[in-house]
Amino acid sequence: GQQLNQSPQSMFIQEGEDVSMNCTSSSIFNTWLWYKQEPGEGPVLLIALYKAGELTSNGRLTAQFGITRKDSFLNISASIPSDVGIYFCAGQLYNNNDMRFGAGTRLTVKP
Amino acid sequence: DTAVSQTPKYLVTQMGNDKSIKCEQNLGHDTMYWYKQDSKKFLKIMFSYNNKELIINETVPNRFSPKSPDKAHLNLHINSLELGDSAVYFCASSPDLNTEAFFGQGTRLTVV
Repeated sequence: GQQLNQSPQSMFIQEGEDVSMNCTSSSIFNTWLWYKQEPGEGPVLLIALYKAGELTSNGRLTAQFGITRKDSFLNISASIPSDVGIYFCAGQLYNNNDMRFGAGTRLTVKP
Repeated sequence: DTAVSQTPKYLVTQMGNDKSIKCEQNLGHDTMYWYKQDSKKFLKIMFSYNNKELIINETVPNRFSPKSPDKAHLNLHINSLELGDSAVYFCASSPDLNTEAFFGQGTRLTVV
């Protein structure tokens, strides 16, 4: 199947540090998405990537669509306490409504 | 205005009961989804509809039946609830196929 492997599972960092997480798959995806979920809320879209090699930023967040189309990473620079949450990658096959999610990276930021 | 809204937010019910969760989106999107998030926070797609037509029906017990009366609504009806159905159910919508989805706040279902 089109399983997404997301790592790391969890991260405990100090405020101000940079964060990096990634997703890999055995299948080729045409869309990679990164979401953040806070307790009691639904996932919120952070960045959407549609082209292989695409590098997109959203404030302190940067994500890239891997050249092989089988991976993506998300970087957070200069983390702050409100970055705490679970970050999910999601991949979508072209013309397929099947958006698969990674297992999530749980981020804890210590002030 | 809430873009994707689900009701109820919390639902506690006894085993064997039948319940429904409603979802509405005011974004004008063509595609809507239901996801289940388990206790380990893993998100798994259950159903998706595009222009009121069922596109994806993952391996979900047939006790779960989605209904899309129009493009803006996708409701989820669950018959004969079981303990293992306890989870958070998320509705989502996207403009069309292969575009980013926007999620509702979730319905926490607890079956006792």
